[in-house]
Amino acid sequence: QVQLVESGGGLVKPGGSLRLSCAASGFTFSDYYMAWIRQAPGKGLEWVSYISGFGGTKYYADSVKGRFTISRDNASRSLYLQMNSLRAEDTAMYFCARDRGFYDSWGQGTLVTVSS
Amino acid sequence: EIVLTQSPGTLSLSPGERATLSCRASQSDGSSNIAWYQQTPGQAPRLLIYGASSRATGIPDRFSGSESETDFTLTINRLEPEDFAVYYCQHYGSSPQVTFGQGTRLEIK
Repeated sequence: QVQLVESGGGLVKPGGSLRLSCAASGFTFSDYYMAWIRQAPGKGLEWVSYISGFGGTKYYADSVKGRFTISRDNASRSLYLQMNSLRAEDTAMYFCARDRGFYDSWGQGTLVTVSS
Repeated sequence: EIVLTQSPGTLSLSPGERATLSCRASQSDGSSNIAWYQQTPGQAPRLLIYGASSRATGIPDRFSGSESETDFTLTINRLEPEDFAVYYCQHYGSSPQVTFGQGTRLEIK
């Protein structure tokens, strides 16, 4: 069965950096777009970024453009999110998801807290 | 960018009743590219409906989706205790940007 497991979250100071990872299993990873979606505490869902199967197409929400970079390694079936210049408003649970336009499989999330 | 507005913000019903949740799009792109998700506390969202009316794998037929131009509806028949959760709609496909509605909380009356 499809499994997505995120890691790499934690506490970071404003202006700092963090790299999130998502390990995928149970499907042909390179066949699918993948996405990051976040949820601030007590708030709704916010799409962050997506990447095509071989990494040639990437898009970002305006709120993270220029600060976050999505990437993938199909050999290791891994998705990444490099987050730089972090702000307090980036504090959220970050989910990776298999992207078919809609998101049919989600990880359990990794929590990122940006605070001094 | 299409903006999705969900209503009501909170819906209070009893087990066994029918829930009707609304998601209104700010404009039409001619597609039926609306998905619905269910999220219970501490859990990741779960896909219920895609393409406005197609049930995802393993979703009971108590859940159904419909559309009328820019108005999309999620109906849950015969509410079960596990159905009380937050529900989100999502638009996809017509632009690189992806949008979610703000959510409807379905609570036990």
